[in-house]
Amino acid sequence: NAGVTQTPKFQVLKTGQSMTLQCAQDMNHNSMYWYRQDPGMGLRLIYYSASEGTTDKGEVPNGYNVSRLNKREFSLRLESAAPSQTSVYFCASSEYREGDYGYTFGSGTRLTVV
Amino acid sequence: DAKTTQPNSMESNEEEPVHLPCNHSTISGTDYIHWYRQLPSQGPEYVIHGLTSNVNNRMASLAIAEDRKSSTLILHRATLRDAAVYYCILRALSGNTPLVFGKGTRLSVIA
Repeated sequence: NAGVTQTPKFQVLKTGQSMTLQCAQDMNHNSMYWYRQDPGMGLRLIYYSASEGTTDKGEVPNGYNVSRLNKREFSLRLESAAPSQTSVYFCASSEYREGDYGYTFGSGTRLTVV
Repeated sequence: DAKTTQPNSMESNEEEPVHLPCNHSTISGTDYIHWYRQLPSQGPEYVIHGLTSNVNNRMASLAIAEDRKSSTLILHRATLRDAAVYYCILRALSGNTPLVFGKGTRLSVIA
């Protein structure tokens, strides 16, 4: 039962570098999400994809782009990393069950931008 | 989204029941009440959700007030592994609106 798999688990970037965070789910869920979590804070939504072929902005989309490559995969790209993007990034997917959507989260990518 | 209010932190003794409160006085009739928890250095995990009636599953129970303005997550017998941040979240039934997380309640369990 892999669930939601995120790669890499840790990454250090220099300011201005770019990188792509990968996320894949094997539960055949339609919807996928990217959140970030800063120290001592709750999760904030960056982007989400309600279904394959669609993406929408969340609360904090600036500086990020996403691609819903297929039903399984949803990637997050930082084009020019900034220290303010130092955070833990969580990917999630959701399914409709018992009247509402239940989310499954990955274990996170810890990103430091220096 | 309607807001929720939770205590910042709570403490419990191991093997005792824990009642985690959540106030949501502006809840609408079609808002589901969700609870997630986040263990240290992990992603959040689903605990339970409900609309009007009390709900039970293998992890916890959810008690919803009759007026739905508050709810309580009940862990029947706390273990050290239950030490986590617990999030109470309202989600509108209409459409696929993403979950919006607050700061939650940090639960400490004392051996």
